[in-house]
Amino acid sequence: SQTIHQWPATLVQPVGSPLSLECTVEGTSNPNLYWYRQAAGRGLQLLFYSVGIGQISSEVPQNLSASRPQDRQFILSSKKLLLSDSGFYLCAWSQPNYGYTFGSGTRLTVV
Amino acid sequence: GDSVTQMEGPVTLSEEAFLTINCTYTATGYPSLFWYVQYPGEGLQLLLKATKADDKGSNKGFEATYRKETTSFHLEKGSVQVSDSAVYFCALSKNFNKFYFGSGTKLNVKP
Repeated sequence: SQTIHQWPATLVQPVGSPLSLECTVEGTSNPNLYWYRQAAGRGLQLLFYSVGIGQISSEVPQNLSASRPQDRQFILSSKKLLLSDSGFYLCAWSQPNYGYTFGSGTRLTVV
Repeated sequence: GDSVTQMEGPVTLSEEAFLTINCTYTATGYPSLFWYVQYPGEGLQLLLKATKADDKGSNKGFEATYRKETTSFHLEKGSVQVSDSAVYFCALSKNFNKFYFGSGTKLNVKP
């Protein structure tokens, strides 16, 4: 069966520090992968999506970047975190005729 | 562009009350419509979906009917339980790839 893993579950980082969040999918090949952010009390904002290795589309300009070094691995990064980067980050992959399956999320607090 | 509008929360109900969470959408073409649920501290889970007009999605006692004439996909449940307390997101997608989410509606069910 297909599963999606996301880590870490929680993270507290100082302003100006780097960030790396990882997401991996098992049980499928060539999935479409997504990074969303959910700010406190707000809805979901699509940050990046990828339809294949090395193929990244950015939805909004920001302090973050994404990479897909392997077929089932999707990484969200930042060189220098800002306070406004705090939020709940969700990785997802999509299946035809089904829709999204989400990871369990990473709660990032920038202090 | 494509978008989803949900009623603002929080919605507070007593156990066994009837639930309606309104969702309307704007989209060209024929999107598929979804409801996702997010329990505290977790990622999103697919609750139900409908892929064409007049389809009814249902799961765990929740139902929603795809109404093209009113561009709506309201979520209903006849008798809510405390365990239904969560945030509910309405979403649309035209190709099961990029999804557009509403801002979410928090439901609190009191015993």
